[in-house]
This record gives sequence, C-alpha cells and structure tokens, in this order.
Amino acid sequence: SSELTQDPAVSVALGQTVRITCQGDSLRSYYASWYQQKPGQAPVLVIYGPNNRPSGIPDRFSGSSSGNTASLTITGAQAEDEADYYCNSRDSSVHFGTGTKVTVL
Amino acid sequence: QVQLQESGPALVKPSETLSLTCTVSGGSISNYYWSWIRQPPGKGLEWIGNIYYIGSTNYNPSLKSRVTISVDTSKNQFSLKFSSVTATDTAVYYCARAVAGSSIYFYYYYMDVWGKGTTVTVSS
Repeated sequence: SSELTQDPAVSVALGQTVRITCQGDSLRSYYASWYQQKPGQAPVLVIYGPNNRPSGIPDRFSGSSSGNTASLTITGAQAEDEADYYCNSRDSSVHFGTGTKVTVL
Repeated sequence: QVQLQESGPALVKPSETLSLTCTVSGGSISNYYWSWIRQPPGKGLEWIGNIYYIGSTNYNPSLKSRVTISVDTSKNQFSLKFSSVTATDTAVYYCARAVAGSSIYFYYYYMDVWGKGTTVTVSS
C-alpha cells in the first residue's frame, strides 16, 4: 500500500519519552520526514533523512527506521511539543501520514 | 532566509477554478521542487502536486484531472489552478519547498520551507 499509517493519538508525561510510528511500503525505499503542526499554524519540518534536524529543532527530536516503519522519538517531552505530527514519504506519488496528536500531560 | 507567501481569493464559487500563487523571497526558485498541500478543516495534510523549477510536474493521482501547477522563474513564483471546485475543496492551502535526492541506501523527499497557508472557502 502507498498509504502511511500513524496512531491517531498518544500521550506522554512531561519530561518522559514518546515514540510515534509511521508504517507504509514506501518507507522501505524512502526516508520518512516528520512535521510538527500546532493549531492554526503551518507544519514545521522536524526530522528528515536518516536522522537530520533542521536548524532550530531541539535535539530531543530524533528519527529512526526499520523495514516499513519509521519512528519519531521525543526524548524528554516538553509542554511545547504538544502538537499534531505527520510523517511524509513518496513512491510514485507523495504521501502524508494520517497524523498523530501528541498530548503532554 | 527563504520565505513563501500564498496569495489568491479567499472565496471561490462552486464549479469555478481556484487560483493561487506562491511567491518565493530570500532565495532562488532554481534547483528545488515546489509543492502545494492542502488541509481541510479538522483533517490531515493532503499533497496536491509539485513542480520542478524547469517545469516538470507531478500530481496526486486522485486530483490530477483538476490540477495544474506552473512556475514563473522570472517572478520567483509558482501557481496552482484547481478546476471545478466543490465544497469539499474548502481547505487551508499551503505552498512549500521540497528537496529530493538519494543517498547510498535510500531516497529522500522532504518539505523544508512552508508558507503560512491561505484559507479558501468554496461557497456560493
């Protein structure tokens, strides 16, 4: 399937670690990229390539991949990390994941 | 620092054509892919299509019959035309810069610069 599937929602206690996963066949050939979107704002790229962070993205964000599954990990989640997160990849087309809402408790 | 700005009508009538332009400032339009993405109210992101700066295009298969993306390198702009719109095309429309390439093991494709988005409502 060319779709990218994410868990709809996860929660994490302040300062703890949360992993968000993204599954799809395209991830066997393409690195996933990850975007953070807060309400009323445009998405922001947080991870690209094997595990690269754009300038200004905290190092508590990291990415990994195995087989058809990519993961975004937030180590030591902060209140400001509460947002929707989308993965992205491509095959013959470009796809976004279904999105995961992260709640920081 | 590269910035993107969407512009166009906020209200479009059903069956008409939605037209948006994205202006690129602070950098060149060359050597990148330029994308349109939309997000209906309360829903996820949907990729519409992209254009390479030399003019080659790729479209979402589910939207392809209604979408045209073009680029004007002299103005550092690219544009979206979306025909025969209905209420289901109501969304925030984003433009974004995309980077594509490959390493030894994997390909990569990511959108590193986004516009703030523009809300388009389809209604009579």
